[in-house]
Amino acid sequence: ETGVTQTPRHLVMGMTNKKSLKCEQHLGHNAMYWYKQSAKKPLELMFVYNFKEQTENNSVPSRFSPECPNSSHLFLHLHTLQPEDSALYLCASSQAGQGILYEQYFGPGTRLTVT
Amino acid sequence: TQLLEQSPQFLSIQEGENLTVYCNSSSVFSSLQWYRQEPGEGPVLLVTVVTGGEVKKLKRLTFQFGDARKDSSLHITAAQPGDTGLYLCAGGETGGQNFVFGPGTRLSVLP
Repeated sequence: ETGVTQTPRHLVMGMTNKKSLKCEQHLGHNAMYWYKQSAKKPLELMFVYNFKEQTENNSVPSRFSPECPNSSHLFLHLHTLQPEDSALYLCASSQAGQGILYEQYFGPGTRLTVT
Repeated sequence: TQLLEQSPQFLSIQEGENLTVYCNSSSVFSSLQWYRQEPGEGPVLLVTVVTGGEVKKLKRLTFQFGDARKDSSLHITAAQPGDTGLYLCAGGETGGQNFVFGPGTRLSVLP
């Protein structure tokens, strides 16, 4: 595998379900990101992890819980979601460090539908 | 709150035509990136510009960063069907990872 991979590519879940999205990067990067892309809104940053530590949480509801066990893997745990959470969830990675230019590489996304 | 606007929202042109799309903000950014996103895929980085007035060329694509670092344009010469996609701009701050994305320009190039 090369680049950034995400599984599953499609997910349909009920409001009472618990599911997880997985992201893996094969680029040797040490920063990983979760974004939400809705039909009528610009891409929204949700979480940032640098060297496995969370550095950004953009006021995301607690029904979204990220986990970063190492620099190559990122998870987004989902529980008791709402229909308005239906969207394309994108993972990205980049190098991290002081003074660098952050250039993000995105995965193909998970299309989530909450019924 | 920093916001980026993009225009036009939609653009449909014939193969071989030239086009320009715009990315504007009232805020100053230290860097600006352009991405292209195809249906069912994540955005792919095309270019990063960091200096006011900077012009970068990538084959038929020309990117310009405004002198005041508040706006940018993307010009495509002799568009091809393979250029079809959603073009996103994203502004960033020095040392920051919280990029602000614009809503995108959806381009369709008809053969």
